[in-house]
Amino acid sequence: DSGVTQTPKHLITATGQRVTLRCSPRSGDLSVYWYQQSLDQGLQFLIQYYNGEERAKGNILERFSAQQFPDLHSELNLSSLELGDSALYFCASSVAGAKDEQYFGPGTRLTVT
Amino acid sequence: DAKTTQPPSMDCAEGRAANLPCNHSTISGNEYVYWYRQIHSQGPQYIIHGLKNNETNEMASLIITEDRKSSTLILPHATLRDTAVYYCIVRLQGAQKLVFGQGTRLTINP
Repeated sequence: DSGVTQTPKHLITATGQRVTLRCSPRSGDLSVYWYQQSLDQGLQFLIQYYNGEERAKGNILERFSAQQFPDLHSELNLSSLELGDSALYFCASSVAGAKDEQYFGPGTRLTVT
Repeated sequence: DAKTTQPPSMDCAEGRAANLPCNHSTISGNEYVYWYRQIHSQGPQYIIHGLKNNETNEMASLIITEDRKSSTLILPHATLRDTAVYYCIVRLQGAQKLVFGQGTRLTINP
């Protein structure tokens, strides 16, 4: 158990819909990262927040957005969902950022039908 | 971030040492070598990282060649629970993200 929690574990929704994935980092960790893992693209970095502010951005679509709240939990919002958005979405946290080890949550499996 | 090359799959007998190689010939002086693993579809798990010197922790040992162009992750006494995909990642000092390649699928056989 990494100490990072993610909800829900599974999500099934239809194309065009909007969903919110939630992540609670390990106690004391200030950085939260989101990654997407699909069969064809592998594990890809989406975005990082540090203490409530966006710190780094990766291959995140404009239909996706994220935020980190004052209690340090984070949400990833996915809108106008397409079949290709079906994937595992992982959240990770670290104490600060650069060079720190990242600890991953169990993931949310999103299926878009 | 430097690219890494890993064999797509490896097998190892239970109880033996598993040695997973990684080539990172374009690594620069301020890039670290990290290893993570992913068991089935669980979240990736941090194993170990290093810059120049060999490193050891309770999970594994990391051997980095003197020229830093390659490294080997050693699981000293592999168990069935070590069956996973192992990712070698080269990470620039100060970089926030981890860049995952395809990894090595390690199968531990009884």
